[in-house]
Order: sequence, then structure tokens, then C-alpha cells
Amino acid sequence: GAVVSQHPSRVICKSGTSVKIECRSLDFQATTMFWYRQFPKKSLMLMATSNEGSKATYEQGVEKDKFLINHASLTLSTLTVTSAHPEDSSFYICSIGLAGPYEQYFGPGTRLTVT
Amino acid sequence: GENVEQHPSTLSVQEGDSAVIKCTYSDSASNYFPWYKQELGKRPQLIIDIRSNVGEKKDQRIAVTLNKTAKHFSLHITETQPEDSAVYFCAALTGANNLFFGTGTRLTVIP
Repeated sequence: GAVVSQHPSRVICKSGTSVKIECRSLDFQATTMFWYRQFPKKSLMLMATSNEGSKATYEQGVEKDKFLINHASLTLSTLTVTSAHPEDSSFYICSIGLAGPYEQYFGPGTRLTVT
Repeated sequence: GENVEQHPSTLSVQEGDSAVIKCTYSDSASNYFPWYKQELGKRPQLIIDIRSNVGEKKDQRIAVTLNKTAKHFSLHITETQPEDSAVYFCAALTGANNLFFGTGTRLTVIP
């Protein structure tokens, strides 16, 4: 498989502030990374596909100006939640695929709480 | 778009018995079907996957079957152990290369 890390693991922020979450591929050069959101006891929902060196592709209903994605290198993608609100509180989790979207390995996730 | 349904939502089995989880999908262009195991507070772990050109795949106590005509696929765990207790998610990769997840099955293996 692939080893994926995320930072931070937990973050609490105040409403209106921005939070950056990092996703790192430790042993694989990933041209594509994926960002998911998971609500408590719910399934994972794809938010966007992060493409190295180009713009991310967002799923329908996901605000690209609110969830900024930057994939500046083959090992790092960042998700910035801008002007966070309590409803943005969730578990954000990234993944990389060993062959495009196939064989995706997940990071440990970041639990965001917006107060 | 793709719709992945998963059943049952909860499943309890005695240790040593088998567990079966079933999923259906709607996008006939879907061609890849992974299964993930997620323990509480942990990341989803890929446990087995199958591509649409194969009808069955097995890895030790875990097997997955795929019926493309009926658009359903299943996870089979034999000789269950307490450490198999977790939430299991099926997923389907659509023709647009997006991975859609089922709603999850909470499996409890009773010692």
C-alpha cells in the first residue's frame, strides 16, 4: 500500500477563521490526491480531486471558494477551509490512489470542530 | 450519478461464523469495487478490491463476488474473529473515475 499522513489530526477553530489541513504521501509520488468528508457514523463523501500542478476538480455542491485545494508537489496537497462555520465541523480525510483513482489509501483524517 | 446501496447496516455474528455484506450500484460504467474496513476513529483500510473483468476474488478469509449483470457485489468473511469487528464500506468507481461509498455496515463479532 501507500503511507499517507495528515496534519493536524484535530483542530478547533472559531467561526469565521480559516484552517489549513495538510495531506502528505510519504512513500509514493501522487499526481492525484482525493479529499473526502465524513460525518459521524456516516459514509465518506468525495469533495474534490486534487491534481498536482493544476486546479482541483470539485464535486457538485462543494464550494470551491470555501474549500481551497492546493497540490503544489507530488507529495503534498492542502485543503483550506475558509471562513469556517459550525456546519463545517466534520472529519476530513484525504487519500491517494496508486493508479489514478484505483487502490486508494487513506490518511488518518483531521477532525475539525468550529465553535 | 452513481448510487451505492449497502445492506445490512448492522450485523452481529458469533465468532467463527461467516458474515456477508451486500452492495448494489447503479452506474453500469462502474468498473472497480473496493471494500474498506474502518475501526472507530481510524482511517478506512483497503481490505480487498475487484475489477469488473473478474467475478470473484479471495484473500485468506475474505472474498468478494461481483455480478455485473445484476449490478451487485458482496463481501464474505469466513471464520470471523472479534478483531473483524468494525464498520465496512463498499465503494464503486464510476465511469467519471469518482469513488462512491456505500453507507456502511457495522459488524460485531461476538466472542
